[in-house]
Amino acid sequence: ILNVEQSPQSLHVQEGDSTNFTCSFPSSNFYALHWYRWETAKSPEALFVMTLNGDEKKKGRISATLNTKEGYSYLYIKGSQPEDSATYLCASYNSGGSNYKLTFGKGTLLTVNP
Amino acid sequence: ETGVTQTPRHLVMGMTNKKSLKCEQHLGHNAMYWYKQSAKKPLELMFVYSLEERVENNSVPSRFSPECPNSSHLFLHLHTLQPEDSALYLCASSQDRVPPNQPQHFGDGTRLSIL
Repeated sequence: ILNVEQSPQSLHVQEGDSTNFTCSFPSSNFYALHWYRWETAKSPEALFVMTLNGDEKKKGRISATLNTKEGYSYLYIKGSQPEDSATYLCASYNSGGSNYKLTFGKGTLLTVNP
Repeated sequence: ETGVTQTPRHLVMGMTNKKSLKCEQHLGHNAMYWYKQSAKKPLELMFVYSLEERVENNSVPSRFSPECPNSSHLFLHLHTLQPEDSALYLCASSQDRVPPNQPQHFGDGTRLSIL
């Protein structure tokens, strides 16, 4: 059984604060790490897909890093805005035999107060 | 608009009913997925289809029966469900199932309630 752990479970910040969350995933048979942003009553939206150790990706004020050897990824949001309020999901792709399995964490719920 | 459309958005059914969830993608993708999200649990992968062929069935009870008539459409047929099957059911698609470094595109989900 693969476990993907995200912390914290929830987070409240003030508008303008910078924040970060953690995703821990199995490092064995690792292939890719996905980050998704999920706003209430909408569909999850892909932010990043990362595969290489040391990878860093950026999209506007959001960035992510990847450490495949120790099995963790950080998601950073610089200068949080109320519209950043959402649940941030990470998912790890690990292989087992000929199959790849995408395993999701429970997510980090971010609330940005104006 | 993600390019993945699910219907209905909400469904209430009794345990003896038979209903179907529908998913349609307009992205030209070759892989489609059904996920289940129960309260306080992570998204759980149920089924994976690649080029209309089922390639994964993650120990899902037989009361859930998927169907993929073509690469754009995916159904989940439901019969004799249990109260614990009440959940949000999400459909997703990706260009291909492998390599898995491609993002998945999700629909808005169907909120299912079993009476």
